Parts: sequence; structure tokens; C-alpha cells
Amino acid sequence: AQSVTQLDSHVSVSEGTPVLLRCNYSSSYSPSLFWYVQHPNKGLQLLLKYTSAATLVKGINGFEAEFKKSETSFHLTKPSAHMSDAAEYFCVVTLYNQGGKLIFGQGTELSVKP
Amino acid sequence: DTGVSQDPRHKITKRGQNVTFRCDPISEHNRLYWYRQTLGQGPEFLTYFQNEAQLEKSRLLSDRFSAERPKGSFSTLEIQRTEQGDSAMYLCASSLTSGIQGETQYFGPGTRLLVL
Repeated sequence: AQSVTQLDSHVSVSEGTPVLLRCNYSSSYSPSLFWYVQHPNKGLQLLLKYTSAATLVKGINGFEAEFKKSETSFHLTKPSAHMSDAAEYFCVVTLYNQGGKLIFGQGTELSVKP
Repeated sequence: DTGVSQDPRHKITKRGQNVTFRCDPISEHNRLYWYRQTLGQGPEFLTYFQNEAQLEKSRLLSDRFSAERPKGSFSTLEIQRTEQGDSAMYLCASSLTSGIQGETQYFGPGTRLLVL
């Protein structure tokens, strides 16, 4: 069975400093991996996705993630945090032969201090 | 593209009452998913449709829950005899499956249910 583990439930950074949100996955087959963001009282928005093409994936708002099969990781990074990045972030895995249903991690709350 | 819409956005009900939620997907999308998100947790898969066919139901979906997608357009999720444990955010998502791995699901704003 596939699953994702987000290693930090809460991350706090200062504005202008780098962001690192960690995610490990478990999957018997080649997975598709996603990062979604959820701002308060707003819907889930796709940041980026990995689907077995380039291992370094660039997303919206300056975020990127690197798929590392040897480490079963898909960490999310951003060089410089902005106040508007404060939100809940979810790492997500899915398998093509399972109807596309998404399996979410527990989430990481990102706080950005001025 | 008007996005995925859900109605109502909020619902407060008393234990034992029935509630029904509606989801309108992006118009050309053939897949529609329902998820449930409780406070402090990630969303959990409930069920999904491809066109009008319900193809999978999670074990989380007890007999009190039923979902439909008549004519492969909008979908409804009904909860009968609500319990306090049903209090959660119910999320709907839609996607266009093209046979390529990693289709993107677009989420609606959710319906927040509170059972008193």
C-alpha cells in the first residue's frame, strides 16, 4: 500500500529565508507525487506534481520539489519565503492503476515571521 | 473555466437529521471525487465516479452515506441519520482522465458540516 509521511507538522521561517517541507513516500510501484497548498477558508490548490518525467519539478509561486527514488523523498523547497506563503501544505501520492484517488499526508503548517 | 463549486458552503444540523451536499465539477471533466477532511488532518478519499459510474468506495463510507452522479454531471453526497463524528469538511474534486499518469484534480471550496 502507498502512503506519505510529512516529517514536520509545523515549520516556522522568517520572511526572506529558505523553506524546506519534508515528505517521504511509500509505494510499491512508480507513483505520481503532488504538493497541494491550503490557505485558510480556501480550497486546495496544486503547487506542483511529479509524474516520472524530470525529477526536479518546478511549481507555482517559486516552489520546487525533487523526486529522489533512492531516498523515497519528495521535499518541497522555496529559496525565499514570503508572508503570503503561510498556509497548510500537503504531500500527496497516487497510483495510476488505482483510479487516481489521492492519498494525503497529515499536512505541514508553514508560518512566516516578518 | 468556472472551477469546481460546492453547495452549501456551511451546514449545521442536529444529530439524526439527513443532509445532502452538491458538487458541480468543471464541465468537461469526466472524473469526480469526494474526500473528507477533519480538523488537523489531511483529506481522506471517500468515493469517485467516472462519468455516471461509481467505481470505488472507501471503507470510510458507511451505509449511511450515499453518493450519486446522474448523467455524469453534478454529484450529490447524502448522509442519513447524521452523527457528531460526521462533522468535517467535505471536499469535491474533478479531473479529466486521459490515460496519462498523474492527472490533476481540481478541488472545490468544500462544505463544512457541523453536527450538534
